[in-house]
Amino acid sequence: QLQLQESGPGLVKTSETLSLTCTVSGDSISSSTYYWGWIRQPPGKGLEWIGSISYSWATYYNPSLKSRVTMSLDTSKNQFSLRLTSVTATDTAVYYCVASKYYYYHMNVWGQGTTVTVSS
Amino acid sequence: QSALTQPPSASGSPGQSVTISCTGTSSDVGNYDYVSWYQQLPGQAPKLIIYEVTKRPSGVSDRFSASKSGNTASLTVSGLQAEDEADYYCNSFAGSYVIFGGGTKLTVL
Repeated sequence: QLQLQESGPGLVKTSETLSLTCTVSGDSISSSTYYWGWIRQPPGKGLEWIGSISYSWATYYNPSLKSRVTMSLDTSKNQFSLRLTSVTATDTAVYYCVASKYYYYHMNVWGQGTTVTVSS
Repeated sequence: QSALTQPPSASGSPGQSVTISCTGTSSDVGNYDYVSWYQQLPGQAPKLIIYEVTKRPSGVSDRFSASKSGNTASLTVSGLQAEDEADYYCNSFAGSYVIFGGGTKLTVL
């Protein structure tokens, strides 16, 4: 059974870079079955798609975040990562890592989420 | 790109059916059969309940059904139960990216 677990700092300073990692168990991130992605949810608000990455490193990003986002894979650790630069308070949210089967536009498996607060 | 439009709230009594709408444009919902729905119980991560407009993942109750007409997709919850009280979100493929609806809070009266 595929499981995902987010990890990373819970507090990031304004203008710095947010870095999160998702550890995958139950399948290999090198598998062509899944796309790997990130979704976020600001406090009390709805879901926002950040982007997705395939096993072959093809990336798809939210146009509104594209200039600040980078996603990557670490096959040796069976992990994938998110980097978001120049953060502000509006980036404060629960960040979920997700796995999407065959296509990146529906999210089959979700991590439990990790809260990231941006503050000076 | 703007979020898909969902009603902020919906409600129904146990046993009734409730339908939640998700309105987009001809660039997203109207152009692709790639609409999904998610259920988010309080304090939990969202869960996929419908994908590709009408398909249910294994293990999801058949009380959840969905459809699409033009630029609007709809989720119907039949035989409402107390455990269905949650936030529901739609999303759609929009060409190269994914867009979500603002969410609907379903209350079981």
